[in-house]
Amino acid sequence: RKEVEQDPGPFNVPEGATVAFNCTYSNSASQSFFWYRQDCRKEPKLLMSVYSSGNEDGRFTAQLNRASQYISLLIRDSKLSDSATYLCVVNTRRGFQKLVFGTGTRLLVSP
Amino acid sequence: EAGVVQSPRYKIIEKKQPVAFWCNPISGHNTLYWYLQNLGQGPELLIRYENEEAVDDSQLPKDRFSAERLKGVDSTLKIQPAELGDSAVYLCASSLGSSSGSLGNEQFFGPGTRLTVL
Repeated sequence: RKEVEQDPGPFNVPEGATVAFNCTYSNSASQSFFWYRQDCRKEPKLLMSVYSSGNEDGRFTAQLNRASQYISLLIRDSKLSDSATYLCVVNTRRGFQKLVFGTGTRLLVSP
Repeated sequence: EAGVVQSPRYKIIEKKQPVAFWCNPISGHNTLYWYLQNLGQGPELLIRYENEEAVDDSQLPKDRFSAERLKGVDSTLKIQPAELGDSAVYLCASSLGSSSGSLGNEQFFGPGTRLTVL
């Protein structure tokens, strides 16, 4: 079983739609959680951290359920520019970064 | 501010040949990472440096891969000899470091080197 599992998609949605991605992780001792965005043939970039209380950044909302070892990302009012791969990332060590990446979920937003 | 710099951006070699990748992290970043990313997969950590010390190389295939970070700044990753299965994107990332607390956590990635082994 992979440490971080995601549905690879692709998710095809029209502009303005709301879309949600889910991710599960296997290491219950994982310390911190992130969503990274990766455009085609580009490097991954941090989109947002994920906190236990849930957090929002504009149209993006991230949530964490430690009991179920489950992370989600919600994108409201999708834009064409949101088309990318969204990587679920888990830090499995305390004190420093040992990032484990999921395979990514591909999102395609169409006009 | 300049980001993480990697070179070359693309490399095509024949199997059994050696290849080397170079990374210059963001100035002041103590921690440097090398990742491998296969098509359709997320990045996988190969090695992590804290300054010049390799503190996590458990995922590095040491029979053919080697890395160094002399003087704790630039780093090189080498494969000798390359195999067909080594074709992938090799990403370098850097962060301030664990001593910087939560501020040191964010990893910044370079554009990667796309390796094709024929």
